[in-house]
Amino acid sequence: SQTIHQWPATLVQPVGSPLSLECTVEGTSNPNLYWYRQAAGRGLQLLFYSIGIDQISSEVPQNLSASRPQDRQFILSSKKLLLSDSGFYLCAWSRFRDGSGNTIYFGEGSWLTVV
Amino acid sequence: EDQVTQSPEALRLQEGESSSLNCSYTVSGLRGLFWYRQDPGKGPEFLFTLYSAGEEKEKERLKATLTKKESFLHITAPKPEDSATYLCAVRAGGTSYGKLTFGQGTILTVHP
Repeated sequence: SQTIHQWPATLVQPVGSPLSLECTVEGTSNPNLYWYRQAAGRGLQLLFYSIGIDQISSEVPQNLSASRPQDRQFILSSKKLLLSDSGFYLCAWSRFRDGSGNTIYFGEGSWLTVV
Repeated sequence: EDQVTQSPEALRLQEGESSSLNCSYTVSGLRGLFWYRQDPGKGPEFLFTLYSAGEEKEKERLKATLTKKESFLHITAPKPEDSATYLCAVRAGGTSYGKLTFGQGTILTVHP
């Protein structure tokens, strides 16, 4: 079966500090990978998606970047955090690449508080 | 622009009191409507995918239905462990891979 691991689970970072959130998927190959953010209002916003190594698309302009150095590894980064970067970050994956109604599965999430 | 609206925002039920959650959507060429359950501090857990009007899916006390404009999540004889936030999302035809548009969710609380 497939599993998705995301870490760290929680972190508190000062404004202006760097960020690195990591995510790995096990039990599948060539997954689509995603980073979502869930703000206090509960809605999920897609930040980045990737269909392959070094193939990353950004959905919204922001203070964050993403990288995919290996097939099943996805990293969310920032060089300098802003207060507005606080939120619940979710890594997710899906099985197919054809853009059909395939299911997206989420990790457990990372709580980021910027102080 | 694709839009998803869920109602009510919050729903309180007594154990055994059946009810329904609503998800209204506006999308160009629906390629899938998804229901997720999210417990506090956790990632969303997949429940159902519906693809076409008239389709229904069931899992334990939950049943999801789909029309051309909305989806319902029916909860029959709920138990306290059904308490969670229920999220609805849609994927439109021609969208980027994995671009789901989510609603704000319905917070369900079931009292014993």
